[in-house]
Amino acid sequence: SAVISQKPSRDICQRGTSLTIQCQVDSQVTMMFWYRQQPGQSLTLIATANQGSEATYESGFVIDKFPISRPNLTFSTLTVSNMSPEDSSIYLCSARQDTNYGYTFGSGTRLTVV
Amino acid sequence: AQSVAQPEDQVNVAEGNPLTVKCTYSVSGNPYLFWYVQYPNRGLQFLLKYITGDNLVKGSYGFEAEFNKSQTSFHLKKPSALVSDSALYFCAVRASNTGFQKLVFGTGTRLLVSP
Repeated sequence: SAVISQKPSRDICQRGTSLTIQCQVDSQVTMMFWYRQQPGQSLTLIATANQGSEATYESGFVIDKFPISRPNLTFSTLTVSNMSPEDSSIYLCSARQDTNYGYTFGSGTRLTVV
Repeated sequence: AQSVAQPEDQVNVAEGNPLTVKCTYSVSGNPYLFWYVQYPNRGLQFLLKYITGDNLVKGSYGFEAEFNKSQTSFHLKKPSALVSDSALYFCAVRASNTGFQKLVFGTGTRLLVSP
């Protein structure tokens, strides 16, 4: 199955700044997804990212706050913009494997905004 | 709309005993069902999935799950629990005919296996 490398694994950021999270997949995948997870809580989908098209955002998430890039079939980034302490969370990327309906996840980025 | 319910926030079991983590779902059409496990400070690890075929699905680390269409359930089971199975378990569902194919997750069940 696909393997995803997600960076950074954690960061502490000042409020008002932005952080870009990167996910690299070791094989080509059509769909990638970005989730947010409070520690010990469930996953909330932020957006779906297909290569060559604009990301599709879920209710409550907007492109200005969470811009996403998907330049090719193996890479995606999520930027958390103009951060506030409420953005402190774990961010995970996921890729849907085209061959067997499986979904693989990155190891997550633990973000703390101070 | 798709939804998943994991009715138990926590399941406690003694090592060596069988364990069950419950999951029920709601989708339009046929479901694709998944179980993932998350250890502290780690991402989600895939355990098993049901797409079609045999209702009993066997997965990683000795886990299995049974798809029950009439009860809309997909409970996770293991015959003999290990202390190392202690973790957070998530059930997820996707409708087979959903255009964007996103997964919807349950709220998670914390499994605690005592020695």
